[in-house]
Amino acid sequence: QSVLTQPPSASGTPGQRVTISCSGGSSNTGTYYVSWFQQLPGTAPKLLIYRNNQRPSGVPDRFSGSKSGTSASLAISGLRSEDEADYYCAAWDDSLGGPAFGGGTKLTVL
Amino acid sequence: QVQLQESGPGLVKPSQTLSLTCTVSGGSISSGDHYWSWIRQPPGKGLEWIGYIYYSGSTYYKPSLKSRVSISVDRSKNQFSLKLSSVTAADTAVYYCARSDYYYDRSGRYVRISDFDYWGQGTLVTVSS
Repeated sequence: QSVLTQPPSASGTPGQRVTISCSGGSSNTGTYYVSWFQQLPGTAPKLLIYRNNQRPSGVPDRFSGSKSGTSASLAISGLRSEDEADYYCAAWDDSLGGPAFGGGTKLTVL
Repeated sequence: QVQLQESGPGLVKPSQTLSLTCTVSGGSISSGDHYWSWIRQPPGKGLEWIGYIYYSGSTYYKPSLKSRVSISVDRSKNQFSLKLSSVTAADTAVYYCARSDYYYDRSGRYVRISDFDYWGQGTLVTVSS
């Protein structure tokens, strides 16, 4: 049971916009930066968003992040088949004493 | 381009010590610009941060694993290593090494990380007799 709560699954059709939520509390997302990762099957996670809404170079601007209060969201616009993957949020958690990851959301492109 | 590569035994017996090394290329651990972490993922499950080390040798471990974990750095080889003692089947996982940027908490005293920007490919470690 993670301290960061994500929906276990999400889906959309090609071209659609989907959002994935990450809900925490004052000891994590309410205080610290949120990051988002994409994990394609059989591969290591890839950083998509850091410091709530910043994109590393090379990450398409179809991916965007936001945070309000203790909740964060990852939005993917112009959904593509290659976006089908697991997505994880992360933030430092004072109660855990380290960075916490959400349980992950499996995105299916219908 | 920064690259990280994990190496070590893929099979460890229960009660023994798991030992892995991460070799960094394309960047220097000694630059002091980043923190270096170990993260694991049990088969079919989510990600769990284990601990980090700074180039100076300063470490920080997940409290629930602290009694069994040790992370060290070899700056001459641009490597850092993980040792996890008294392993059980619950420690079976893909182990990743990763680099992260860092910032300070509101007090300005304590380092915080979550931006893991470079990862190794991961190595599966199975705990079994």
